[in-house]
Amino acid sequence: GESVGLHLPTLSVQEGDNSIINCAYSNSASDYFIWYKQESGKGPQFIIDIRSNMDKRQGQRVTVLLNKTVKHLSLQIAATQPGDSAVYFCAEIAGDTGRRALTFGSGTRLQVQP
Amino acid sequence: EPEVTQTPSHQVTQMGQEVILRCVPISNHLYFYWYRQILGQKVEFLVSFYNNEISEKSEIFDDQFSVERPDGSNFTLKIRSTKLEDSAMYFCASSDFYEQYFGPGTRLTVT
Repeated sequence: GESVGLHLPTLSVQEGDNSIINCAYSNSASDYFIWYKQESGKGPQFIIDIRSNMDKRQGQRVTVLLNKTVKHLSLQIAATQPGDSAVYFCAEIAGDTGRRALTFGSGTRLQVQP
Repeated sequence: EPEVTQTPSHQVTQMGQEVILRCVPISNHLYFYWYRQILGQKVEFLVSFYNNEISEKSEIFDDQFSVERPDGSNFTLKIRSTKLEDSAMYFCASSDFYEQYFGPGTRLTVT
């Protein structure tokens, strides 16, 4: 499950800092969004989701913000830890059409410096 | 915690050969999916499966691909005649509604 993209944007943070990873989506019909974490050699791991009738959702140490006006999604990770180092993908579904296929973004590599 | 499993973890095959990738979805899930990720690229949707039939497929999923749920637990992806460009990580996923959970993937190398 390597997403070793030479052109992946990289966010480098210090351990304990907060991280913000951004994602722009293009399909205004998308109504469900998920953030996935992918560690080297593994499959995408579900982190948090949000439906289009919400603008914020919180989980354990993570918060997702959705701005439908500008078609922007962000993932905030509080008190980032070395174990958070991975590639993060946003994914969307235009569910109101009955579709289930996830459309993934390009990903952002998060590097946590100890 | 229930998880999606996939076998084999790595499959090497020669161009033109048939391969079958296997997945065991989470047991109470109703929707099953295959995605692939070519090295250095993003994850791409191939096909979704519900109620014993394909519910959606992408342009990638051409006549060389097929899926099957041969029994109550397994979900397979078959590539009839592999091409070099089929080399990728193949991920199976399952969901009970929208929240999709992914397996660890099968790395397919076509030589």
